[in-house]
Amino acid sequence: EVQLVQSGAEVKKPGESLKISCKGSGYSFTSYWIGWVRQMPGKGLEWMGIIYPGDSDTRYRPSFQGQVTISADKSISTAYLQWSSLKASDTAMYYCARHSAFPQGAFDIWGQGTMVTVSS
Amino acid sequence: QSALTQPASVSGSPGQSITISCTGTSSDIGAYNYVSWYQQHPGKAPKLMIYDVTNRPSGVSNRFSGSKSGNTASLTISGLQAEDEADYYCTSYTTSIALGVFGGGTKLTVL
Repeated sequence: EVQLVQSGAEVKKPGESLKISCKGSGYSFTSYWIGWVRQMPGKGLEWMGIIYPGDSDTRYRPSFQGQVTISADKSISTAYLQWSSLKASDTAMYYCARHSAFPQGAFDIWGQGTMVTVSS
Repeated sequence: QSALTQPASVSGSPGQSITISCTGTSSDIGAYNYVSWYQQHPGKAPKLMIYDVTNRPSGVSNRFSGSKSGNTASLTISGLQAEDEADYYCTSYTTSIALGVFGGGTKLTVL
């Protein structure tokens, strides 16, 4: 079965760092782009960025550039999203998703989401 | 890069057909046939319903169809069922940032 399994919910304080993960299985992890999508409470979906684990080619939406880091470890079929200094405004659900044929195609497989809560 | 424009809400009765529009620009929807649609039920991850404007993934009901004209894409759901009640999001590749951009989402209510 093709699936993406994300790490569990996190509760952090402003200024703390965080790295969440997304582990792929059931397919060739290095052959598909993995994207990260943010959904703030009660709001819509936002593209954050995308990475190709085969060569670590990474693209960021301008509003997220410098705010987060997307990476991947192909040896363990895992993609990551990390923050060096969290803000309350980072409170959101974060989804990873496999892109079938970027830029064509779509996010065909989604992780279950990781809820990140940032509060003092 | 602004989000694509979707109506905030649409509604229909069981058995009816509804259409959700998604309006972009000549840099995104108008430039490529890379429009996809997602269904999201409350508390759940999004699910792919349509990709590359008109294609349905395996397992998605043929009651769902997609189309595009100029800078506007559309998702049509025929034979509405209670289980179709959800939020729907469109997305398109955009040359302005060489990434995708989502629409604001449309809440579908089945009356």
